[in-house]
Amino acid sequence: GQNIDQPTEMTATEGAIVQINCTYQTSGFNGLFWYQQHAGEAPTFLSYNVLDGLEEKGRFSSFLSRSKGYSYLLLKELQMKDSASYLCAVNRGSTLGRLYFGRGTQLTVWP
Amino acid sequence: DAGITQSPRYKITETGRQVTLMCHQTWSHSYMFWYRQDLGHGLRLIYYSAAADITDKGEVPDGYVVSRSKTENFPLTLESATRSQTSVYFCASRDPRGDEQYFGPGTRLTVT
Repeated sequence: GQNIDQPTEMTATEGAIVQINCTYQTSGFNGLFWYQQHAGEAPTFLSYNVLDGLEEKGRFSSFLSRSKGYSYLLLKELQMKDSASYLCAVNRGSTLGRLYFGRGTQLTVWP
Repeated sequence: DAGITQSPRYKITETGRQVTLMCHQTWSHSYMFWYRQDLGHGLRLIYYSAAADITDKGEVPDGYVVSRSKTENFPLTLESATRSQTSVYFCASRDPRGDEQYFGPGTRLTVT
């Protein structure tokens, strides 16, 4: 199967750093994605990792360890607008990019 | 407008009725996808398409039908709606040269 696990909820304060973890078990692997989804809106792309290591994009970074089936999304200098659901998704080898999503982590940023 | 659009944005229908959700993208992306999103399940793939006239089943295809006569359109039909199909439906597209899927704004469907 494609078990993809991430915490259901997290809270943090403005200006802080938060790490959202994602673990996966899959029979094939061709990349891991992180999407952000605000309530009532469509998911929007944040990051893509296909090789081990850290990818940094401004305040957001994403890390992947393929051998451990593990990824995390790191959000720095949190802002109120970062309150959203963060979705971890795995491409298990499809050239079309079929994605299998975790249930999402609802992040609440407090002032 | 450029991008990916879905219609209707909200729909209420009765059990047993046929309903079609529309998806249109202006990028000429080959790949298109339909997902449903439910509390406790996350996004699940219903159907996907590699090109016009090429479609395949995803994780949860039962009760749904798709067609793709033109690259830009990918309608999803619920042949006989059931209450369990109450959900938010997202369409997405992807350029084969890239990695990212672009999602439409979603259709909130309620089956009474």
